[in-house]
Amino acid sequence: DQQVKQNSPSLSVQEGRISILNCDYTNSMFDYFLWYKKYPAEGPTFLISISSIKDKNEDGRFTVFLNKSAKHLSLHIVPSQPGDSAVYFCAALATSGTYKYIFGTGTRLKVLA
Amino acid sequence: DAGVIQSPRHEVTEMGQEVTLRCKPISGHNSLFWYRQTMMRGLELLIYFNNNVPIDDSGMPEDRFSAKMPNASFSTLKIQPSEPRDSAVYFCASSLSGLKEQYFGPGTRLTVT
Repeated sequence: DQQVKQNSPSLSVQEGRISILNCDYTNSMFDYFLWYKKYPAEGPTFLISISSIKDKNEDGRFTVFLNKSAKHLSLHIVPSQPGDSAVYFCAALATSGTYKYIFGTGTRLKVLA
Repeated sequence: DAGVIQSPRHEVTEMGQEVTLRCKPISGHNSLFWYRQTMMRGLELLIYFNNNVPIDDSGMPEDRFSAKMPNASFSTLKIQPSEPRDSAVYFCASSLSGLKEQYFGPGTRLTVT
């Protein structure tokens, strides 16, 4: 059973517009969430994170929103750039236990020039 | 810093053969993780070490898989005997305990024919 779900396997966005990637989770013990970006033939790289005590975290063009009641988080990229084209994974962990990530299956973002 | 180093980058082997994947974590990191990436299941945690000790191996699919960490700078993931369904990209990641971000290596693409 997938505890972390990314229901959109792919997304295409025009350069300069907003990209919104979504992630849902089922385990209420998760209290820390991360987004990773992955280019082909490379390992995932950390992008941005959010603790459950917050509902928003911003870093430049990237903002993560957390809705705990809905068990939903989203990553907003504004403005989108062609270099943002990659696979984005969300991950969740329960910090009261081991540092064991549960990853979603990823969303492939394509930013069209 | 060289980052997490994995070898080989690509491995093609025949069913029934033994496969050994290698990982050198970032110097000073004391947590090491092995993941497997497939299209269907995304990134799955196989095993997690802390201070060279296996903490959680619940993701290891079956007895054909084994992992060791003889010292702080080296880990292996072994599959014996290998099967075609083991074909995937295997990632190693490391982190500092207490820090939530993990740093991934470039991965080993395994093909079992």
